[in-house]
Amino acid sequence: EADIYQTPRYLVIGTGKKITLECSQTMGHDKMYWYQQDPGMELHLIHYSYGVNSTEKGDLSSESTVSRIRTEHFPLTLESARPSHTSQYLCASSDDGGTYEQYFGPGTRLTVT
Amino acid sequence: AQTVTQSQPEMSVQEAETVTLSCTYDTSENNYYLFWYKQPPSRQMILVIRQEAYKQQNATENRFSVNFQKAAKSFSLKISDSQLGDTAMYFCACRHAGNMLTFGGGTRLMVKP
Repeated sequence: EADIYQTPRYLVIGTGKKITLECSQTMGHDKMYWYQQDPGMELHLIHYSYGVNSTEKGDLSSESTVSRIRTEHFPLTLESARPSHTSQYLCASSDDGGTYEQYFGPGTRLTVT
Repeated sequence: AQTVTQSQPEMSVQEAETVTLSCTYDTSENNYYLFWYKQPPSRQMILVIRQEAYKQQNATENRFSVNFQKAAKSFSLKISDSQLGDTAMYFCACRHAGNMLTFGGGTRLMVKP
């Protein structure tokens, strides 16, 4: 089982609220990623990081922001949640040491009412 | 740009039978990796099998094997002796520069008792 954690697992919140989705990994991986996934659908990369103080936008435009102050921590923030943000958010990390496997967290299912 | 296509949105198989999931991809890179990930209902995404493009031999992992046809850019997954626990969404993915993954749209597999 991968050592990558996400909290909360489920979140129901009202429009306009600020939220932060937490992601932590204990594997010492430099690279981390955030994906957005609607139920039963493909994953879309919204943010990634090559390491501390590195953040980049992914293929899918997102109103969320991320930060990477510590290697193990990669939180995602929505300043003002809207119903269009309702989705599942998956965090992942990887090493470049040969396998290139991305390890995924359990996800946060976000519902904005 | 990379693309990954899974042409079978849903499939079903009887327990103990064999099933093959299809995947085609397009990439301009010479050295790349291909993956099959499994996402069980409400559970974490995990890696099923990995194939390095420079290797001609098809990867195998217990009951899971791939048919990698590099010239045709095809990467199918064969599951032998299907078990109820194989019920899940299966995603094909292609790794490109910077350790980014491009995912296919997924195939929902149902194993029937």
